Amino acid sequence: DQQVKQNSPSLSVQEGRISILNCDYTNSMFDYFLWYKKYPAEGPTFLISISSIKDKNEDGRFTVFLNKSAKHLSLHIVPSQPGDSAVYFCAAHPYGGSQGNLIFGKGTKLSVKP
Amino acid sequence: DVKVTQSSRYLVKRTGEKVFLECVQDMDHENMFWYRQDPGLGLRLIYFSYDVKMKEKGDIPEGYSVSREKKERFSLILESASTNQTSMYLCASSPLIGSNLNTEAFFGQGTRLTVV
Repeated sequence: DQQVKQNSPSLSVQEGRISILNCDYTNSMFDYFLWYKKYPAEGPTFLISISSIKDKNEDGRFTVFLNKSAKHLSLHIVPSQPGDSAVYFCAAHPYGGSQGNLIFGKGTKLSVKP
Repeated sequence: DVKVTQSSRYLVKRTGEKVFLECVQDMDHENMFWYRQDPGLGLRLIYFSYDVKMKEKGDIPEGYSVSREKKERFSLILESASTNQTSMYLCASSPLIGSNLNTEAFFGQGTRLTVV
């Protein structure tokens, strides 16, 4: 049973426009959420995170929004650039999990067209 | 700069071979993880370790074992490689998380294993 769901396997956006990647979760005990970016043949790299006590976190062109009542988070990239083309993984950390185990979604492949 | 290094970028092994994937981190992290990534399935946790000689099964441990004899090194072992273990294998590490701290896991560059 998937606890972290990314229902869109792919997304295509024009350069300069906004990219919105969505993630839903089922476990209300998740207390920390992260987005990772992955290029082919490379390991994932951390992008941005948000604690469950916040509803928004911004870092440059990247903003993550958390809606706890809907168990939904989204990553906004504005403006989108061709270099943003990658697979984006949403991940969640369970509350009280001291081992730091992250639960990942299946990923969304973003293509930003020039 | 945190560094997680996997011993090989690409490996080709024969069915039935014993395969060792090595991972080393240089940040004195307590936690280390092995994931595999397959198209349409995302990152799935195979095993993780939160201390030397400690290990916990992840979501898909069948056909794998692990070894953590030193804090900085976490090995993934395929006892008898099979074609369905062809995948991208990713090692990660993270510090122990306290009640008020949250942090990300840092990943290695991945090992693309092909079993023929």
